[in-house]
Amino acid sequence: GAVVSQHPSRVICKSGTSVKIECRSLDFQATTMFWYRQFPKQSLMLMATSNEGSKATYEQGVEKDKFLINHASLTLSTLTVTSAHPEDSSFYICSARVDSNQPQHFGDGTRLSIL
Amino acid sequence: AQKITQTQPGMFVQEKEAVTLDCTYDTSDQSYGLFWYKQPSSGEMIFLIYQGSYDEQNATEGRYSLNFQKARKSANLVISASQLGDSAMYFCAMRYSGSARQLTFGSGTQLTVLP
Repeated sequence: GAVVSQHPSRVICKSGTSVKIECRSLDFQATTMFWYRQFPKQSLMLMATSNEGSKATYEQGVEKDKFLINHASLTLSTLTVTSAHPEDSSFYICSARVDSNQPQHFGDGTRLSIL
Repeated sequence: AQKITQTQPGMFVQEKEAVTLDCTYDTSDQSYGLFWYKQPSSGEMIFLIYQGSYDEQNATEGRYSLNFQKARKSANLVISASQLGDSAMYFCAMRYSGSARQLTFGSGTQLTVLP
């Protein structure tokens, strides 16, 4: 149980393109989903926390207009990287949990490469 | 402020030997949780083991055990009988009683198991 599906696993696109990444909880309802960014050989850095039906809470330094997060249902959150540039190339990984007393379950991540 | 420190950027261990990965944390909270995750080169985050701050016994999960020393604020991961498939990045993480109770990750330790 507790499976989180993240799609796509890899995307390569041109500079200026907007890219949408989906995160789905397959067998549980996730009241909270988290989006992380990870550079090579580094740790996971929390970008934002999203609760179903409300606006995401962004960490300091993360541009909310650049990284649009939507958590419209209890099983789906999306991260849209708008007008992506090469510096946005990274590994993005989502996680989801039922509530604050339950563990976070991670998706398999998305490798984004902007040419 | 909450902080997780992993001081070993890289570790090597001989196959079938045991290895200890260090993790120290800093928090003023009384209630918190400590996690270890494994991240292979493919990128997915694999949950290994959990220790609650009020748990009196050290957590164990198969070949993984957590050496929890609360007074020293350390939560080291011990892997017994290392296998080649254990080669990966290992992250220590803490969940504290903040408003969102999200995970804060350490910088990680790259473990390489030698044949």
